[in-house]
Amino acid sequence: EIVMTQSPAALSLSPGERATLSCRASQSVRSNLAWYQQKPGQAPRLLIYGASTRATGIPARFSGSGSGTEFTLTISSLQSEDFAVYYCQQYDRWGTFGQGTKLEIK
Amino acid sequence: QVQLQESGPGLVKPSETLSLTCTVSGGSIISYFWSWIRQPPGKGLEWIGYIHYSGGTHYNPSLESRVAMSVDTSMNQFSLKLSSVTAADTAVYYCARHISQGGTVMDYWGLGTLVTVSS
Repeated sequence: EIVMTQSPAALSLSPGERATLSCRASQSVRSNLAWYQQKPGQAPRLLIYGASTRATGIPARFSGSGSGTEFTLTISSLQSEDFAVYYCQQYDRWGTFGQGTKLEIK
Repeated sequence: QVQLQESGPGLVKPSETLSLTCTVSGGSIISYFWSWIRQPPGKGLEWIGYIHYSGGTHYNPSLESRVAMSVDTSMNQFSLKLSSVTAADTAVYYCARHISQGGTVMDYWGLGTLVTVSS
């Protein structure tokens, strides 16, 4: 089983700041990596797939990078609606999620 | 706009079988892969498995011995059965559609349904 590890577990930032979230795979997943955003009481929302391709309707302030075992989700300038939990997911072998990073308002 | 809706009992007794159905509206179930994902209260996401509209399946190895999925294209529905449930199976269960580009990546999700395992 491929284990996905996200860091940090929680991140406190202010609106307008840049957020950098990390995700590490226990073995190479090539570029088969997706990012999701989840708000309380809601289903996850797909942000990024293929490590760097934004899903339909996702604002340009969200960007993804990386390949192999190291991946990053960057939010260039945080908006109030961006404070949520973010999950990475590998789909190179089936589908495994990371444990999530909670992005909180400072 | 594609919409997914999970339905089924909200309470299941230990050792029994959890059964859920996902109804797809606003689009056809044909030509896509469909997944079930669950989330225990306050915890992260776990992919359960997927089914193709043709009936082909693949399950999470950790759940494979207890999971069965099926599809009914005439009703635009697909279903999940999880047998021999315990309290550890208590979770919000989501159904979701895979993106057309391939891979277990989900772009449309249902709202989720909470299933509690308790006597």
